[in-house]
Amino acid sequence: VQLVESGGGLIQPGGSLRLSCAASGFSVRTKFMSWVRQAPGKGLEWVSIIYTDGATFYADSVKGRFTISRDNYENTLFLQMSSLRAEDTAVYFCGGCEMANNMKYWGQGTLVTVSS
Amino acid sequence: DVVMTQSPLSLPVTLGQPASISCTSSQNLVHSDGNTYLHWFQQRPGHSPRRLIYKVSNRDSGVPDRFSGSGSGTDFTLKISRVEAEDVGVYYCMQGTYWPTFGPGTKVDIK
Repeated sequence: VQLVESGGGLIQPGGSLRLSCAASGFSVRTKFMSWVRQAPGKGLEWVSIIYTDGATFYADSVKGRFTISRDNYENTLFLQMSSLRAEDTAVYFCGGCEMANNMKYWGQGTLVTVSS
Repeated sequence: DVVMTQSPLSLPVTLGQPASISCTSSQNLVHSDGNTYLHWFQQRPGHSPRRLIYKVSNRDSGVPDRFSGSGSGTDFTLKISRVEAEDVGVYYCMQGTYWPTFGPGTKVDIK
C-alpha cells in the first residue's frame, strides 16, 4: 500500500490549488479516504473525508472552499482548495481506511504555503 | 466538535521504563453501533503519523506488543510497557465517533 501526494507549493492568499494523492496497492473506491493537515509545528486537523458511497464531509474551517473528490480509474484522491488563507498553510496528508473517520494508511504529505 | 485533551503534553522517559498517556474526550465516544472509535497515532520526528491502536485496544499489524490501549466512555490510556529509543515522537489520540478530532499530542523523549 502506498499513497503519494503532490500539488503543494507556494500560493498567494485568495488563490487556488489542487492536491493529488495517487494510491497503489488498494482501490480508493473501496476505502474511506481523507485529508488531514498539520500546520508547521502544530497538531493534526481533519480536513475532509469521502465515503465509499461518495458522500463527502468537511471541517467547518474549509467548508465551501475545499472540495474532495476521487478518480476511480486513475485511483487518485484530490483536494481542490480555493480562497486560500494564511491559516491554510500546512502539510496536507492523504490517507485511507476500511473504517469511516479513521486513517490506517498515510501518505508522506505535501506542503502548502499561503503567503504573499 | 468533540474536544480531546491529553496529559501530560511532555513526557521524558527513561529507556526500559514504562510510560503512560491519558486522553479524555468532551463527549462519550460510544457510537450508536456499540463501538468506541478512539484511536492512537505515533508521529516520529520528520515522519507521517502512523496508527498504533484502533477502537481503544486493538493493535495494528506490526505494532510491538509493548504498546497497549485501554479505557471507555470518555477516558482512555496508551501505555508503553518498556520504552525504547525508537518510541521517541508525538502521540495523538483521535476520536472518530463524531467528526474526527485529535488530541493536542504528547511529546515523548528520552531523559
